[in-house]
Amino acid sequence: EAGVAQSPRYKIIEKRQSVAFWCNPISGHATLYWYQQILGQGPKLLIQFQNNGVVDDSQLPKDRFSAERLKGVDSTLKIQPAKLEDSAVYLCASSPGELYETQYFGPGTRLLVL
Amino acid sequence: GQNIDQPTEMTATEGAIVQINCTYQTSGFNGLFWYQQHAGEAPTFLSYNVLDGLEEKGRFSSFLSRSKGYSYLLLKELQMKDSASYLCAVLGGATNKLIFGTGTLLAVQP
Repeated sequence: EAGVAQSPRYKIIEKRQSVAFWCNPISGHATLYWYQQILGQGPKLLIQFQNNGVVDDSQLPKDRFSAERLKGVDSTLKIQPAKLEDSAVYLCASSPGELYETQYFGPGTRLLVL
Repeated sequence: GQNIDQPTEMTATEGAIVQINCTYQTSGFNGLFWYQQHAGEAPTFLSYNVLDGLEEKGRFSSFLSRSKGYSYLLLKELQMKDSASYLCAVLGGATNKLIFGTGTLLAVQP
């Protein structure tokens, strides 16, 4: 079974530029998550989708971050404009969509903002 | 509020046993997860506890006490490849959000 796919794996941009990340969850998984992991910290949930609807985006900085999951499968996370403090690993995870389910993580996108 | 505490770093010897503790305070509780994360890689699932007691899976075991807000991950017969960060995460809140601790960086020495 293929795992969660993410691209790109690495991205370097300058502050105030825009960047987008892509995620393809495990086939059949209804729930998709985007996390931000700053070096030395645990992942922090940015947004959670159930199919193509948003369940929780309370920690998403909506003035600069946006995410969508069209058709309830792939998802993109965008940052516009980027700040230095956005330098982090952006992890995508998916789960079947049932209660108390295990989340499976992709390899992440490592973002460096200069 | 929600808070998860675990030690920042631990060191252990190859072949030994190590216990990584995690205490938590969360609004709502639907289970506790342990994930392993090697440097530069994604977290991988190790264990899930929702009821009190010990869950054993090979060299790894995880314990939960809901009344004490406490869990531990026990690693036996340590191998060099066990050197990684171990993340404690609690599933809770109105939207069943997974809240992670900062992780415990385990170094296994020869």
